[in-house]
Amino acid sequence: KAGVTQTPRYLIKTRGQQVTLSCSPISGHRSVSWYQQTPGQGLQFLFEYFSETQRNKGNFPGRFSGRQFSNSRSEMNVSTLELGDSALYLCASSLGIGLNQPQHFGDGTRLSIL
Amino acid sequence: GIQVEQSPPDLILQEGANSTLRCNFSDSVNNLQWFHQNPWGQLINLFYIPSGTKQNGRLSATTVATERYSLLYISSSQTTDSGVYFCAVRTGANSKLTFGKGITLSVRP
Repeated sequence: KAGVTQTPRYLIKTRGQQVTLSCSPISGHRSVSWYQQTPGQGLQFLFEYFSETQRNKGNFPGRFSGRQFSNSRSEMNVSTLELGDSALYLCASSLGIGLNQPQHFGDGTRLSIL
Repeated sequence: GIQVEQSPPDLILQEGANSTLRCNFSDSVNNLQWFHQNPWGQLINLFYIPSGTKQNGRLSATTVATERYSLLYISSSQTTDSGVYFCAVRTGANSKLTFGKGITLSVRP
């Protein structure tokens, strides 16, 4: 069974640009969550999607957005990039919300802002 | 929100030594996971353990939910065990995980 797939693995952008990251969950998983990891703030929850609807959102500005498609694949978008957006972005999938089962993480997308 | 504290923050071991990593949390949880993050940033599932004890090879974990802590045991450590170990918990009906700051483990040959 394939794991969570994130693309691209690495990305370099400049300030002011926008970026879209992609996440394909494990087959059969319908919940996708996104996390940002930085040296200063650690791992922080961005948002969660289930059945194409955002179910939960962390404390990030509106420049961070996401969506989920009918096949459960998810994308997150960051607009007007800032230097502080440089981070490892991790996606996790699970069977569904409200169920007591583990989350599985992808290998992440490492975003560098110049 | 819930607080997750991991200790010690850093740990240096000689290869072959045993260690115990601790995770304390401030509220009831319905999910607790231990992860190992390798130098390439990959977050690897070690245990899903909201309560009880589990073992997987040289690793084992125990969660005492009523006392709000979990322990990860590493026996006969190897250099490949080096990395950062995270404890993450979930409360409520959504899937949001709250992570601790991690424990950086260095195993020396």
